[in-house]
Amino acid sequence: KQEVTQIPAALSVPEGENLVLNCSFTDSAIYNLQWFRQDPGKGLTSLLLIQSSQREQTSGRLNASLDKSSGRSTLYIAASQPGDSATYLCAVRGGNTPLVFGKGTRLSVIA
Amino acid sequence: NAGVTQTPKFRVLKTGQSMTLLCAQDMNHEYMYWYRQDPGMGLRLIHYSVGEGTTAKGEVPDGYNVSRLKKQNFLLGLESAAPSQTSVYFCASTSLAGLYNEQFFGPGTRLTVL
Repeated sequence: KQEVTQIPAALSVPEGENLVLNCSFTDSAIYNLQWFRQDPGKGLTSLLLIQSSQREQTSGRLNASLDKSSGRSTLYIAASQPGDSATYLCAVRGGNTPLVFGKGTRLSVIA
Repeated sequence: NAGVTQTPKFRVLKTGQSMTLLCAQDMNHEYMYWYRQDPGMGLRLIHYSVGEGTTAKGEVPDGYNVSRLKKQNFLLGLESAAPSQTSVYFCASTSLAGLYNEQFFGPGTRLTVL
């Protein structure tokens, strides 16, 4: 059974700092990995999708990497801003199974 | 293009009452999902559907039923609500090539069972 772990559970950084969020998964036979953002009381917004054949994806200040063989992904946020404060969720899709989610990392960027 | 919408946004029920949550998507997606999100538990899959007229159980299906009579709608029913079903419910959808494509989420329904 696929399990997804996100470390740390919570993170607080000063504005302007570069930061890395970690995601690990137990079964490397995945089709893709997706990073989401969730603001308090809101739904999930897709940030980046990495196919199993890809190593990384970039969108603005966000860069997500994937190392399928080691079962790891990282989300890099450059020059963090208070507006980046949210919970970030990692999810993987393997075979014909629906997405399996980690429990998220709650990020606070302090002005 | 509204994406994925959910009705209602909030609801309070008494134990034993029944209700139906509606999810609608206008992206012509084949796959639809219902999740619940609880503090410390993350997102857990309740039921899902890979096409009109088909449904399958997820990780936590007990106490819930679903129906997919139309491709664009996915209904989640609680026949006899229990306090343990207090949660935030999210619907999601993705296309037939969903193995390779993004999954889109609705805004959620916050349900409280007293």
